[in-house]
Amino acid sequence: AQSVAQPEDQVNVAEGNPLTVKCTYSVSGNPYLFWYVQYPNRGLQFLLKYITGDNLVKGSYGFEAEFNKSQTSFHLKKPSALVSDSALYFCAVRDSGGYNKLIFGAGTRLAVHP
Amino acid sequence: DTGVSQDPRHKITKRGQNVTFRCDPISEHNRLYWYRQTLGQGPEFLTYFQNEAQLEKSRLLSDRFSAERPKGSFSTLEIQRTEQGDSAMYLCASSLGTATNEKLFFGSGTQLSVL
Repeated sequence: AQSVAQPEDQVNVAEGNPLTVKCTYSVSGNPYLFWYVQYPNRGLQFLLKYITGDNLVKGSYGFEAEFNKSQTSFHLKKPSALVSDSALYFCAVRDSGGYNKLIFGAGTRLAVHP
Repeated sequence: DTGVSQDPRHKITKRGQNVTFRCDPISEHNRLYWYRQTLGQGPEFLTYFQNEAQLEKSRLLSDRFSAERPKGSFSTLEIQRTEQGDSAMYLCASSLGTATNEKLFFGSGTQLSVL
């Protein structure tokens, strides 16, 4: 069965410092991986996706993610965090059953402190 | 803003009552999804429509739950005889196209509280 794991409930970062939000996955076959962000009282917003190709994927708001097949990881990164990046981040994998159904991790709360 | 809209934003009901939620997807989107999110968890898939056809239902969707998408436009999710365990955020998402792996656009959700 497809699954993703986000090992950290919360990540705390000082503004201006680099940030990493971790995600590991378990799939049969090729992984199709996604990151979404959820701000308070807002719906989830797509950040980026990995389908194939370059292991470093660039997305919205300066975020990027690195796909690592040997470590089955897809960590979200940003070189310099902003206070406005504080939100709930979800890693997801497309279910192999089709229809673009996504299986989400439990989420990681990112807190960026001034 | 012509994003995905959901109504109502909040619903408080008593156990045993029926509730219905509405989702209006982005107008040209042919795919529509319902997810459920509880506190501290990621969204869990409930059901999927392509146009008006309901093509997949999760085992999470008991026979008390029913969803429709008449004419392939808006969708409704009804929960009959609500239970306290139904308390959650119900999220709707839509997407366009026939290709796999396109991104989903989510609404802000309907927060259901069953007393």
